[in-house]
Amino acid sequence: GENVEQHPSTLSVQEGDSAVIKCTYSDSASNYFPWYKQELGKRPQLIIDIRSNVGEKKDQRIAVTLNKTAKHFSLHITETQPEDSAVYFCAASIGRGSYIPTFGRGTSLIVHP
Amino acid sequence: EPEVTQTPSHQVTQMGQEVILRCVPISNHLYFYWYRQILGQKVEFLVSFYNNEISEKSEIFDDQFSVERPDGSNFTLKIRSTKLEDSAMYFCASSGTRDTQYFGPGTRLTVL
Repeated sequence: GENVEQHPSTLSVQEGDSAVIKCTYSDSASNYFPWYKQELGKRPQLIIDIRSNVGEKKDQRIAVTLNKTAKHFSLHITETQPEDSAVYFCAASIGRGSYIPTFGRGTSLIVHP
Repeated sequence: EPEVTQTPSHQVTQMGQEVILRCVPISNHLYFYWYRQILGQKVEFLVSFYNNEISEKSEIFDDQFSVERPDGSNFTLKIRSTKLEDSAMYFCASSGTRDTQYFGPGTRLTVL
């Protein structure tokens, strides 16, 4: 089955800095890669996603890149703010029938004011 | 903006008891899912449901688990005889297309 590795497990940055979270996946058939933000005690919220026919996608301060050859994808947050502090999960899924995501272990992002 | 809702927010039960967790997916969505998240760990897939039947399930989803869509709005997860290791946050999710999923707020299940 699919295996998703996520690094780092903890990321501490100063407000205004950029943050990068990296994920690798094992199954080359994976073709949908969502990123979720989970604040303490809250639901995972989809913040951005990318499909395998696209190499990069941007939404305001958030961008995701995908390298299918290397089987890795990354989340980039620019101009970080304290409210960006949360756990971020990457996921990879294969579009056969349902898209069942396999999640990474999460990155705890701490943005210091 | 419509959201997935779940009840109860917290359920405490004794080991061996049956529990039913309830979810109301987003109204025009067709695909429904249950996940669990043990405290401090990643989200794990349990089961997906489409067209009134299970479409996929994980190894976690054994005979103690069942799902049902009893009417046009609710989607339930039943755990027949709870174990201590079932203690976790259970998330329901729904999607209108096959890929993008929206999660509910979760039910924290505590088995004593």
